[in-house]
Amino acid sequence: GESVGLHLPTLSVQEGDNSIINCAYSNSASDYFIWYKQESGKGPQFIIDIRSNMDKRQGQRVTVLLNKTVKHLSLQIAATQPGDSAVYFCAENIAEDSSYKLIFGSGTRLLVRP
Amino acid sequence: DGGITQSPKYLFRKEGQNVTLSCEQNLNHDAMYWYRQDPGQGLRLIYYSQIVNDFQKGDIAEGYSVSREKKESFPLTVTSAQKNPTAFYLCASSSQTDEAFFGQGTRLTVV
Repeated sequence: GESVGLHLPTLSVQEGDNSIINCAYSNSASDYFIWYKQESGKGPQFIIDIRSNMDKRQGQRVTVLLNKTVKHLSLQIAATQPGDSAVYFCAENIAEDSSYKLIFGSGTRLLVRP
Repeated sequence: DGGITQSPKYLFRKEGQNVTLSCEQNLNHDAMYWYRQDPGQGLRLIYYSQIVNDFQKGDIAEGYSVSREKKESFPLTVTSAQKNPTAFYLCASSSQTDEAFFGQGTRLTVV
């Protein structure tokens, strides 16, 4: 399958530890942000989202934090498991003229050590 | 089943040929997107469409063309003008301001 993580920044964590993946976004007018997980050779899968009127949102084992002042997003994964190994992308929804477009960050590869 | 379907999964193209990648969704989404992904890289936006019969260029539209004649369908043509077409192509759809759902991708190789 496709090796999408060959040159991406890599975060290596011990199974059971917490993981924090960071992302800087570009457009101060962006009002919606999404984290995706991509496994080798597959399309990205939705993990969690957050709108700009919030600074924190929690899901099952995942938390997204949004700092609009410095245009920074983070994804926290609690009790990281081997199945969490993948490439993680943040995406921002940018309003342009009368339409929206979804722009992705460069991604981080998460490796979970057993 | 509701979802977004890309075909074919693998596609081989001879240099100088145009090829068309299919993307179909039955999620009743207005917005559809095409991205290109190179090994070890992120997703780059090629074209996007918010409604039928309308579409906009993304960051790397040169050498590609699209159409949006039906809400369900957003085919991407890789033309001979695209000098380095070998890549993994991903299609997505969304209801404008909610999360986008992705297909499983088409891997295009120039032979």
